Parts: sequence; C-alpha cells; structure tokens
Amino acid sequence: DADVTQTPRNRITKTGKRIMLECSQTKGHDRMYWYRQDPGLGLRLIYYSFDVKDINKGEISDGYSVSRQAQAKFSLSLESAIPNQTALYFCATSDSDRVDGYTFGSGTRLTVV
Amino acid sequence: AQSVAQPEDQVNVAEGNPLTVKCTYSVSGNPYLFWYVQYPNRGLQFLLKYITGDNLVKGSYGFEAEFNKSQTSFHLKKPSALVSDSALYFCAVRDIAGFKTIFGAGTRLFVKA
Repeated sequence: DADVTQTPRNRITKTGKRIMLECSQTKGHDRMYWYRQDPGLGLRLIYYSFDVKDINKGEISDGYSVSRQAQAKFSLSLESAIPNQTALYFCATSDSDRVDGYTFGSGTRLTVV
Repeated sequence: AQSVAQPEDQVNVAEGNPLTVKCTYSVSGNPYLFWYVQYPNRGLQFLLKYITGDNLVKGSYGFEAEFNKSQTSFHLKKPSALVSDSALYFCAVRDIAGFKTIFGAGTRLFVKA
C-alpha cells in the first residue's frame, strides 16, 4: 500500500458542486499539505496542517477549505467548484522532527466543467 | 519572501551526455534545498536535499546537486543521462523555520537515445 493515498484519482464535476478530496497516510508524519499543480506554475500551497488542531492557509486558499480529521487524514473541499479549479491536486506529508523531503500522494486530477 | 526560479522550461540532452538542470533561490537566512522528480501520472518523488555541509550532495538514481551560496544556486546534475531520466524536475526551498516549502515551476528533461 502507498504511504500517502489520495482518493479519488480522477474526478469530473460540474460548476457549483461541492467536492471533497481525501488524503490518508501511513507514514506517521505530523505535518500534512495540500498543493495544486498547474502547467508552468509548479506546485502552489493551498493549506497546511502541523497537527490535528493546527490548520493554516497557504498562498491560494480562496475557494478551498480543509479538515484534519485525524493525524493520518487530511481532506480538501471545494465548496462550490469553478472551472479554474481544474488542476492536479497533491497531498504531501512530512515529519517535523526531520528535515527530509516531503512524501507525496499520486494526485487527484480534478476537472470542473 | 522565499522564491525559487527554474530558468529553463525544458532541457534536452543526448543519452550518455552529462545533464544540468538549473535552480536559483531566494530565502532569508540559510536555506534547506530539495530536488524532486515527477514521472507521468505520478506524484513527486524526493531526489536529494541540502541542509548544511558539503556543497555537493548526492541523491537517488545517480543524481547530485551543487549548492553555491554566493550565486544562490542549487543545480541538479548527472554525469551520464539515461532515457529513463526523462521527467519533470522540481527544485524547492524551505526556510530554516521549516514552516513551508516553495516549489519552482519545474523543468522538463528530455533525454534522447
């Protein structure tokens, strides 16, 4: 099983619909992140969480919300999806006790029509 | 504010030749620097990191990177490229406080047989 699992892998939704992307991890890491990838723009941080009670906005949080249900689970919601939220979304984890690279999930490709 | 620049959208190299993927950064204080690789339909994979110490760091798959503080650069290198190295490469910087990581826009590497 993957260390960081994202569901769904692909999703097509309509404008105005609410959608939730889920992320779970078995790394035992305390920190979790949601990034969005767009061609030519790299990865941009949407939200990050350093523990269950700590949620922080990233550089592009407008239109998104998150929930850290447990140390291992971090979900991203689009309350009312719009076409420019079409992108590849990645969840990542890290350990606050170590300076290591992040562990990424395989991504969710979201299309808003 | 932190920033990362990858000046080349694409790098083309022949198999067996050395490769370099460029990265420059801006951060307050001493940086933590990372390289990641992304293969099609996959999440990012950590390649290597620089925290402190030797300016030349070695990572996975024969890759290495050279940290140059005066030029604020952290270029990724490999002595002999393989076709299987063809992928999207991201440079990233994290501040000492470790609150978050900023990614570059990515450089696509094509290795021709």
